[in-house]
Amino acid sequence: NAGVTQTPKFQVLKTGQSMTLQCAQDMNHNSMYWYRQDPGMGLRLIYYSASEGTTDKGEVPNGYNVSRLNKREFSLRLESAAPSQTSVYFCASSVYLSSSDTQYFGPGTRLTVL
Amino acid sequence: ELKVEQNPLFLSMQEGKNYTIYCNYSTTSDRLYWYRQDPGKSLESLFVLLSNGAVKQEGRLMASLDTKARLSTLHITAAVHDLSATYFCAVRPDSNYQLIWGAGTKLIIKP
Repeated sequence: NAGVTQTPKFQVLKTGQSMTLQCAQDMNHNSMYWYRQDPGMGLRLIYYSASEGTTDKGEVPNGYNVSRLNKREFSLRLESAAPSQTSVYFCASSVYLSSSDTQYFGPGTRLTVL
Repeated sequence: ELKVEQNPLFLSMQEGKNYTIYCNYSTTSDRLYWYRQDPGKSLESLFVLLSNGAVKQEGRLMASLDTKARLSTLHITAAVHDLSATYFCAVRPDSNYQLIWGAGTKLIIKP
């Protein structure tokens, strides 16, 4: 049982390049999330998917797109990377709106945009 | 504006001492989460507090929730070096599905 996995672990991009961050979970969770973590700012939600087939914007969606490929997989795409997107990106998953909706996090992707 | 404020943001303490981290939030909510993050690592769930007056304990950590005061506390008893980490609280507002996160409290426990 791997939990939540993310690829890649590290990435360096040049301004204007695109990339997709991959996330998969094997806990049969309905809901999945993408966060970014910047120093001193806690976590900020980029997008989430409450259930398969739905996606919604979070607090900081500009410059990102997402795809809920199936129940297990939720990808985050940067179409034209900017230095302001340098951050650590975490994917998380949870059961949807239940008393046990703790979010479980992946190991993170450390992205640097030059 | 939805806000979650943690206090203090940085805490350096000696082993064996007790201390409390505070988490204040600005919206109605009956669900509060505490997470731990080690340097360079992911976030690990510690506690979920689901109702007013809820108290949960795990080892040297105890968390409580007062929804009327919109306050949660994370109390550390007889701190040990292994508890050094950054601790985050997060709130799910009644009117919203998203979690709102505090900035984190970086805790350093010196031997």
